[in-house]
Amino acid sequence: NAGVTQTPKFQVLKTGQSMTLQCAQDMNHEYMSWYRQDPGMGLRLIHYSVGAGITDQGEVPNGYNVSRSTTEDFPLRLLSAAPSQTSVYFCASSPIQGAGETQYFGPGTRLLVL
Amino acid sequence: GQQLNQSPQSMFIQEGEDVSMNCTSSSIFNTWLWYKQEPGEGPVLLIALYKAGELTSNGRLTAQFGITRKDSFLNISASIPSDVGIYFCAGQVFNDMRFGAGTRLTVKP
Repeated sequence: NAGVTQTPKFQVLKTGQSMTLQCAQDMNHEYMSWYRQDPGMGLRLIHYSVGAGITDQGEVPNGYNVSRSTTEDFPLRLLSAAPSQTSVYFCASSPIQGAGETQYFGPGTRLLVL
Repeated sequence: GQQLNQSPQSMFIQEGEDVSMNCTSSSIFNTWLWYKQEPGEGPVLLIALYKAGELTSNGRLTAQFGITRKDSFLNISASIPSDVGIYFCAGQVFNDMRFGAGTRLTVKP
């Protein structure tokens, strides 16, 4: 099993550009989520999904869109990148929501917005 | 949203020394989790705690769930160079999970 995979590992964008961060898991987990990690702060939840076709906002959803068409994939879209979105993004999955002890994280995508 | 207060922010220790770090919150949690993150990787779960007062070990790591349910502690005994990384705490109540900012540990051989 590959676990949780994320692509790309690193990306540089100009302000206003759009991009999609990819996340995939092969553990048949229902719950998937996106976090951002900023210096001096804990991980903050952006969006999450409790199953295919179901998504909801987390703590910091502004500027990001998500969709979940399959159990395996949970892409995160930046429609118009801003410098404030410079961060490291982690995707995570777990069998169910609220089971943090069974949550697996991907390796992260480091995003720089100029 | 409230984040957890994790301290210290960083530690520089000599190989063989013991390490202690803690997380505090003004809110009560049902579960406390401790993660380790190495450069270029995502956090990996080290220990999960489910009950106030619980003391759980994983090798040289020992963590405790505070009696008040508002704090947790992680101890690493006899540190080794591969302990280097960032250690995160997380508190969870139902579907709400909050993270500390991390303790960056450097171990000098």
